[in-house]
Parts: sequence; structure tokens; C-alpha cells
Amino acid sequence: SQQGEEDPQALSIQEGENATMNCSYKTSINNLQWYRQNSGRGLVHLILIRSNEREKHSGRLRVTLDTSKKSSSLLITASRAADTASYFCATDAGSNYQLIWGAGTKLIIKP
Amino acid sequence: EAGVAQSPRYKIIEKRQSVAFWCNPISGHATLYWYQQILGQGPKLLIQFQNNGVVDDSQLPKDRFSAERLKGVDSTLKIQPAKLEDSAVYLCASSLDWEDTQYFGPGTRLTVL
Repeated sequence: SQQGEEDPQALSIQEGENATMNCSYKTSINNLQWYRQNSGRGLVHLILIRSNEREKHSGRLRVTLDTSKKSSSLLITASRAADTASYFCATDAGSNYQLIWGAGTKLIIKP
Repeated sequence: EAGVAQSPRYKIIEKRQSVAFWCNPISGHATLYWYQQILGQGPKLLIQFQNNGVVDDSQLPKDRFSAERLKGVDSTLKIQPAKLEDSAVYLCASSLDWEDTQYFGPGTRLTVL
């Protein structure tokens, strides 16, 4: 069963603009992770945010977590063509830290 | 550092045939995962190994799927017999330990005709 749901399902923006994707989940978590998947490099880990953190930055990425609303957002600033990919959130709600994944947001950056 | 290796990258088979996938995790990683990813969906965990023991295989269709990690390093996933609905990308991932970041291989795209 899927724990996370990404929103929107698809997003198309111009290069240089910011992209925001959201993830909602159902049960309490230990941490939430964002991954990127494209045909060239497969699934790549982007960032992990723990349940006691509210915001985290990594380069052009900014992730927020609101545990009261069971939601997270991923912001990519100054988008580039290379950011074109599907973005997934994954939560580890279980005792074995197993990841449960959403269906992803497909991001297209137009030149 | 070498990444997670998987082979083959692509496989096309007829339904009712059998197929096997191979995975070599990152050296030193104790935890190994097999996921199934159907087009348009996120990955679904099939089985998780800790060294050569199974941690969770609750979502593995055991009537047709099997997996092993005999020496706690390489792993194979087998489907016998395959069904049309098994068409998917099979991803292998590994992590240093069960609570660490997972690193994914390129996947094997399986098409069942």
C-alpha cells in the first residue's frame, strides 16, 4: 500500500523558475526522504528529513516537513533542464525503516 | 565507490517462462532490497535482506517469486512462472544498515508477452 501521495502528478515549468512538489502521508514517521528518478541515472537519493526537523536545505533543494499536517514539500530553485525527472517521497513508517513510496511527481523543465 | 550493479538491464519473455535477476550491492552494505516498480507508480518493496537473512518478504508473491542472498553479498530474484502483470522494472537497493540511506541500481526492465 502507498503511504505517500505526491501533488501535483505532473508539473511543467520554464527553466529558471522554481518548482514546488508536495507529499502527504498517512501514519507517523521516523523520517521522510525525497528521491529523483530519470532514465539516465535511475533512482537517486536527494535529501532526508527527520521527524523532529522542520526544514532542510541541500544546494538548490529545500525540504519542509509538517508532522501535524502529515505533509512535506520539496522546492527546487532556479530549475535547470537536468532537473527534468520524476520525484518521489518515501516514508519509513515501519519498525524496520522500510520505505513506503508515493506515485511521484513528473517534473518537466522547458528550455 | 562502485554503485549497485544489476543485470540484465532488459529482459523480454513469454508468459509462463521463468526469469532471474542478479544484484551486486555496494561493498560492505549489510541490507539489500528488491523492489518492483510498475509504470507510473512508486517502487513497492518485495523483500528485504539483512546480511543473508530475510527481514521482510510480506509483499513477495511466494507462489511464483523467490529470492536469495546466500553469502550475504550478491542476490538473485527469480520469477517462475511469469505472468503478464509481472511486467515492471525490478530495482535492487542496498544500504549500510537497515536505517541508512538506500542506494539503487539501474534496474531490470522486464516485459512479459
